[in-house]
Amino acid sequence: NAGVTQTPKFRVLKTGQSMTLLCAQDMNHEYMYWYRQDPGMGLRLIHYSVGEGTTAKGEVPDGYNVSRLKKQNFLLGLESAAPSQTSVYFCASRTGVWTEAFFGQGTRLTVV
Amino acid sequence: AQSVTQPDIHITVSEGASLELRCNYSYGATPYLFWYVQSPGQGLQLLLKYFSGDTLVQGIKGFEAEFKRSQSSFNLRKPSVHWSDAAEYFCAVGDGNQFYFGTGTSLTVIP
Repeated sequence: NAGVTQTPKFRVLKTGQSMTLLCAQDMNHEYMYWYRQDPGMGLRLIHYSVGEGTTAKGEVPDGYNVSRLKKQNFLLGLESAAPSQTSVYFCASRTGVWTEAFFGQGTRLTVV
Repeated sequence: AQSVTQPDIHITVSEGASLELRCNYSYGATPYLFWYVQSPGQGLQLLLKYFSGDTLVQGIKGFEAEFKRSQSSFNLRKPSVHWSDAAEYFCAVGDGNQFYFGTGTSLTVIP
């Protein structure tokens, strides 16, 4: 039972570099989410998707882009990384609005 | 906008003591409420959830939570804490398509 899988688990970027984080879920969930977790700030929603081909902005979308070309995958992109994007990123998915979310193990990203 | 407040940043309890973690929410309609636990270096695991019905809900690992509409609260409780309960606890509210999280409460358990 893979559930929600995030790739990679760790990454160090230089300022200005770009990268893509991959989230894959095998539960046929419609909804997928990207959060960032910073000390003392809890989890803040970056972007989310309510189905294949759809995306929407969350609380802190600036500096990030997302795509949901396939139902099982939700990609988070950083076009030009900044030190302020150093964080732990979590992906989550759920069946619908009346259900709980399932989380991946997180990606620790450091931008130097 | 909806919001979730966890007033306690950090709590320390002795093993075997009771525990209550506070959560207050701001939401216009009937909320969908959740408690998650995060062990160090791990993702979030669902402890329990409230959608409707009985206001006292039971979860995994011996946890329970009570929904009080009049106080806009959804506090998490456990009668007797175990050392393995040391973790970060997050309260969350579901608002349609989105999930809003509190800032978390870090629990330390002392022998």
